[in-house]
Amino acid sequence: AQSVTQPDIHITVSEGASLELRCNYSYGATPYLFWYVQSPGQGLQLLLKYFSGDTLVQGIKGFEAEFKRSQSSFNLRKPSVHWSDAAEYFCAVVHPLGNTPLVFGKGTRLSVIA
Amino acid sequence: DAGVIQSPRHEVTEMGQEVTLRCKPISGHDYLFWYRQTMMRGLELLIYFNNNVPIDDSGMPEDRFSAKMPNASFSTLKIQPSEPRDSAVYFCASSWRTELQGPQYFGPGTRLTVL
Repeated sequence: AQSVTQPDIHITVSEGASLELRCNYSYGATPYLFWYVQSPGQGLQLLLKYFSGDTLVQGIKGFEAEFKRSQSSFNLRKPSVHWSDAAEYFCAVVHPLGNTPLVFGKGTRLSVIA
Repeated sequence: DAGVIQSPRHEVTEMGQEVTLRCKPISGHDYLFWYRQTMMRGLELLIYFNNNVPIDDSGMPEDRFSAKMPNASFSTLKIQPSEPRDSAVYFCASSWRTELQGPQYFGPGTRLTVL
């Protein structure tokens, strides 16, 4: 069965520190991959997506993600976190040839401390 | 584009009452999705439509829930009768016509509280 795992429920980082949020998937083929951010009281906003090609993907708000086929991972990174990055982050995957929509992970809550 | 529009943003009702949530997808998007988000269960897909036709409603929790899409620019999610356990944030999302596998664009959500 298709699945996506975000191993970390909650992460706390200091402002200015680097960030990496983990996402692992279990699929028969290389899926399409997405990262979304949900700020408090808001809907989910697309940060970036990977369909094919360059495995390092740049997104909005200074985020990037790297697809690693050998590790079945699509980790989200940011070199320097700002207090406004505090939010919930969701990884999502979908089979490129399937007939089912995106499957979302359970999310990782990011707290940023001064 | 205004993005996905949902109304109301907040709804407080009493148990047993009918609740109707509304969604206007992004113009030109042919897929529309309804989600429910709670602390306990996370983000759950309830139902999705393609070209106004319901494709998969297996996520709808009970017969008390129903969804319609009478035209390309409007959808409703109805709960009748409502129960306290229906309290959640309900999101609507839409995506392009050929992209079930493409990114979804979310509305701001409706926070429902059933007393």
